[in-house]
Amino acid sequence: AQSVAQPEDQVNVAEGNPLTVKCTYSVSGNPYLFWYVQYPNRGLQFLLKYITGDNLVKGSYGFEAEFNKSQTSFHLKKPSALVSDSALYFCAVRALTNTGFQKLVFGTGTRLLVSP
Amino acid sequence: DVKVTQSSRYLVKRTGEKVFLECVQDMDHENMFWYRQDPGLGLRLIYFSYDVKMKEKGDIPEGYSVSREKKERFSLILESASTNQTSMYLCASILDLNQPQHFGDGTRLSIL
Repeated sequence: AQSVAQPEDQVNVAEGNPLTVKCTYSVSGNPYLFWYVQYPNRGLQFLLKYITGDNLVKGSYGFEAEFNKSQTSFHLKKPSALVSDSALYFCAVRALTNTGFQKLVFGTGTRLLVSP
Repeated sequence: DVKVTQSSRYLVKRTGEKVFLECVQDMDHENMFWYRQDPGLGLRLIYFSYDVKMKEKGDIPEGYSVSREKKERFSLILESASTNQTSMYLCASILDLNQPQHFGDGTRLSIL
């Protein structure tokens, strides 16, 4: 089955501390992975993607993600959290529909709360 | 910069009504998508379209239909609205399926 798991509903971190938002995936073939962020009353904004190449991917707003094939994980990280990073984060993997078209499968989302 | 515009931010309708949600993109993208977002369930794909007049069912198409008469516009239709269709609806577009999707700001739909 093609799926994405985000095991934590919420992650709490103090400003200035490193943060990690976890994501694991299940898909056949080589995975194409994405992270998106959603601020209140807004649509999703793209943060970063992994297609191929280096396992450490750098994205927008100082975020990065580490691809680990053996653990089928794609965790989102940031060395020093900001209060403005507080938002809802979604991991997604490219998958195939029953008719062979490509689509994105999203995780359930993780709410990040950064306290001052 | 790509802009995806959803015509309504908030919408309140009654059960049994036919409801239209509109989405317009300004970058000549071929692929467009409709999702619904519910707490604890993430985003679920309702329908998508890969060209004008072409459509494919997503994971939860029941109770919905779509229309794509022009490349820039993708409409989601609730044939007979029900309370379990109360949700946030998000539209997205993309040119190349290896690239990230561009999302509109969503329509929060309440069915009373």
